[in-house]
Amino acid sequence: DSGVTQTPKHLITATGQRVTLRCSPRSGDLSVYWYQQSLDQGLQFLIQYYNGEERAKGNILERFSAQQFPDLHSELNLSSLELGDSALYFCASSPYGMGAYGYTFGSGTRLTVV
Amino acid sequence: DQQVKQNSPSLSVQEGRISILNCDYTNSMFDYFLWYKKYPAEGPTFLISISSIKDKNEDGRFTVFLNKSAKHLSLHIVPSQPGDSAVYFCAASDHDKVIFGPGTSLSVIP
Repeated sequence: DSGVTQTPKHLITATGQRVTLRCSPRSGDLSVYWYQQSLDQGLQFLIQYYNGEERAKGNILERFSAQQFPDLHSELNLSSLELGDSALYFCASSPYGMGAYGYTFGSGTRLTVV
Repeated sequence: DQQVKQNSPSLSVQEGRISILNCDYTNSMFDYFLWYKKYPAEGPTFLISISSIKDKNEDGRFTVFLNKSAKHLSLHIVPSQPGDSAVYFCAASDHDKVIFGPGTSLSVIP
């Protein structure tokens, strides 16, 4: 157990639907990062939050949004889902606001869009 | 535009031999480089890192080499063990963003 909890572990939904992925960071970590891993692709950085504020944005589609709540858990909302959104979505947390040192990843949410 | 490249999607090595995983990058502003290891059905786990001001960092069987002029880094695993079979991601940080490479799948054959 890495200390980063992602729910649900698996999600199957239809095209056009909306889903919410949840991440609880490791205790004491202020930063949350979201990554997408599609088939044969590396980890694509989506977005970072630090202590409730958006810190950095990557290749996140407009159909996707995220937020970090006062208790530091984060949610990634994916709407108008397409088949190509099927992927593994990873959340990572870190005590720091920048850099990759100290990242702890969760085990991911596997999203299948049918 | 891939800023971090791992040109070998897979690598097979005999147990006990050296595994060398390579990574190239394009952004000279990266200040930190890291390697993560990922087993199936698990999230990536941190393995080893190197600051851009260093050229080598060693941790047990794992050594990372950085060649800034060539914008190239490599991870050496000696000796390779079957439990090292996993996907290895190279990552680079430029303060705010962390960019991961596509990964190299290492198979260590007993």
